[in-house]
Amino acid sequence: QSVLTQPPSVSAAPGQKVTISCSGSTSNIGTHPVSWYRQLPGTAPKLLIYDNNKRPSGIPDRFSGSKSGTSATLGITGLQTGDEADYYCGTWDSSLSAVLFGGGTKLTVL
Amino acid sequence: EVQLVESGGGWIQPGGSLRLSCAASGFIVSSNYMNWVRQAPGKGLEWVSVIYSGGTTNSADSVKGRFTLSRDNSKNTVFLQMNNLRVEDTAVYYCARGWGDGYNPLYFDSWGQGTLVTVSS
Repeated sequence: QSVLTQPPSVSAAPGQKVTISCSGSTSNIGTHPVSWYRQLPGTAPKLLIYDNNKRPSGIPDRFSGSKSGTSATLGITGLQTGDEADYYCGTWDSSLSAVLFGGGTKLTVL
Repeated sequence: EVQLVESGGGWIQPGGSLRLSCAASGFIVSSNYMNWVRQAPGKGLEWVSVIYSGGTTNSADSVKGRFTLSRDNSKNTVFLQMNNLRVEDTAVYYCARGWGDGYNPLYFDSWGQGTLVTVSS
């Protein structure tokens, strides 16, 4: 079981908005910035959000991130079938001295 | 263009050793935090190890004492030496460039395609 907790799955219709939560503790999310990754089937993860809410070049503004206390949230608007993938949050943990990833959330676009 | 290409994966019996390579292009590995992240079949991501720009390393508890990270600056390549492999080390191993706060890797902006390591008798 991951130290960072994500819902196993979420779903929404095309064009709608979805949010994915990532819950941690003071030694990880409460202290360090959060990043988010998307992993399409059979491919490597791709960075979507870093430093809680910043988007790398090329990532559309349909993707957004936020953090409050020991939780973080990824938001995706204007859902497309191509958004179906696994999404992971990540951060550093001061107590473990290690990078942590959430268990992953499978997004289904109905 | 930043590119990472892993190699060296394969099948190995428990207790055996393998060395993975990650050849980088488009940037200098010695100026970045270079990491390995693995993913067991059907499972999530697990951070394995980092080599900092200064050359020091840090690893997850699950591999400490068994895995060693190093680099060859002349080849712009990072290596993961894996010893005393266990069945639970079976995974796709990704090389990833990390960025941080000057102390620890906080996010990974470039990933290789991954190389599969299968530990089985």
